Amino acid sequence: SQTIHQWPATLVQPVGSPLSLECTVEGTSNPNLYWYRQAAGRGLQLLFYSVGIGQISSEVPQNLSASRPQDRQFILSSKKLLLSDSGFYLCAWRRGRTIPSGANVLTFGAGSRLTVL
Amino acid sequence: GDSVTQMEGPVTLSEEAFLTINCTYTATGYPSLFWYVQYPGEGLQLLLKATKADDKGSNKGFEATYRKETTSFHLEKGSVQVSDSAVYFCAFPSGSARQLTFGSGTQLTVLP
Repeated sequence: SQTIHQWPATLVQPVGSPLSLECTVEGTSNPNLYWYRQAAGRGLQLLFYSVGIGQISSEVPQNLSASRPQDRQFILSSKKLLLSDSGFYLCAWRRGRTIPSGANVLTFGAGSRLTVL
Repeated sequence: GDSVTQMEGPVTLSEEAFLTINCTYTATGYPSLFWYVQYPGEGLQLLLKATKADDKGSNKGFEATYRKETTSFHLEKGSVQVSDSAVYFCAFPSGSARQLTFGSGTQLTVLP
């Protein structure tokens, strides 16, 4: 079966420090990968998605970047954190091909809570 | 563009009360529809889904019917429990990578 792992689960960082959040998926190949952010008391905002190694699409301009160095690894980074980067970051995956018989479900990791002080 | 309009929260109910959380969508065509649930401090979990018009998704006592005519996918449960307290998100896939477009989420609190 497929599993998705995110780490660290919790992170407290000072303004101006770098960031690296990692996400890995097991039990599948060629997944689509996604990074979402959930600010306190707000909905989900798609930050980045990737359909293959080295292929990154950004949904909103921001202080963050993403990379996909391996097929099942997705990394969210920042060179210098801002206070506004605080939030709950969620990684998700789905099959790269839409299956004809039903919905292609997005499966989420447990999330990484980032607090920037 | 694609969007999801979800009932504003927070919603507070007593145990065993009836729950409805409204969701309507704007999309090209007739996408699959999802409800996700987020328990405190956790990621999102798929609660139920429907892939075509008139389909009814159900799980854990929750139900939602895909209404093409009204572009709606309202979530219902006949008798809520304290353990149902969570944030509920309506969503559908859109875009080239089939990323999910989410509603704003509805916070549900069930009191004993």
